[in-house]
Amino acid sequence: GAVVSQHPSRVICKSGTSVKIECRSLDFQATTMFWYRQFPKQSLMLMATSNEGSKATYEQGVEKDKFLINHASLTLSTLTVTSAHPEDSSFYICSASGTTSGANVLTFGAGSRLTVL
Amino acid sequence: AQKVTQAQTEISVVEKEDVTLDCVYETRDTTYYLFWYKQPPSGELVFLIRRNSFDEQNEISGRYSWNFQKSTSSFNFTITASQVVDSAVYFCALRVNFNKFYFGSGTKLNVKP
Repeated sequence: GAVVSQHPSRVICKSGTSVKIECRSLDFQATTMFWYRQFPKQSLMLMATSNEGSKATYEQGVEKDKFLINHASLTLSTLTVTSAHPEDSSFYICSASGTTSGANVLTFGAGSRLTVL
Repeated sequence: AQKVTQAQTEISVVEKEDVTLDCVYETRDTTYYLFWYKQPPSGELVFLIRRNSFDEQNEISGRYSWNFQKSTSSFNFTITASQVVDSAVYFCALRVNFNKFYFGSGTKLNVKP
C-alpha cells in the first residue's frame, strides 16, 4: 500500500516550452504533497508544499511563476515548469502524505528527470 | 533551524568489507524523525529505516544496522559484509513539522568486487 506514481519518468523538451509532471497517490488520499528538486550529484531540496484545494507554499528562492503547482484533488498534484530553460534540467521528486487504514503514510514517487535542450 | 550533515561525500570499499555511513543532525524540536534512504542510479528513493526521537534503540535488519545517539545527534548506518548491489547514494534525512524532510548531502558508496 501507499504507492505514489510519478509521470513522466523522463522528459526532454525544447527551451521555451512548458512541461507538466504528475504525482498521483494510488491507494490513499494525499492531503499534502511535496515537490523536491535534485541537481546532479547533489541532495534533494524542497521546492514547495501543497495542500489539497489550497495554494502551494514555496520555499525561499523558488519562483512560483516558474514552477506552477496544482493540487486539485486528494490524489493528484502537478508541477508545471513554465518556459523551461536548460538550467531547469534536473530530477524532480514528489512525496505524498496522508492516511490509509488509519495509519499515517509518507511516500516518495520514483522521480522525473527533465532535460531541457 | 534544521540541518543534516553527511560528511562523507564518497566511500569506496571492497566487497565483504563493513562500512559505516555517518549522519549528524541539528534540530531544536523535541519530536522528530530520522530516516535513511538509498538512491540507486535509477533515481528513486528506497526507504530503509525510520526512527523517532524518543526511540534510541539501535536496530539491525539483516546486513544493515543503525546506531542512534541523541547525546551526539548522530544516526549512523552500518552495512556489514557489503555487496556490489549496495552501491548507491545514501541519504540521511530529518523530518519535523508538517512532514518536511531535510536531507543530508548524501554519501556515494562504491562497493567493488
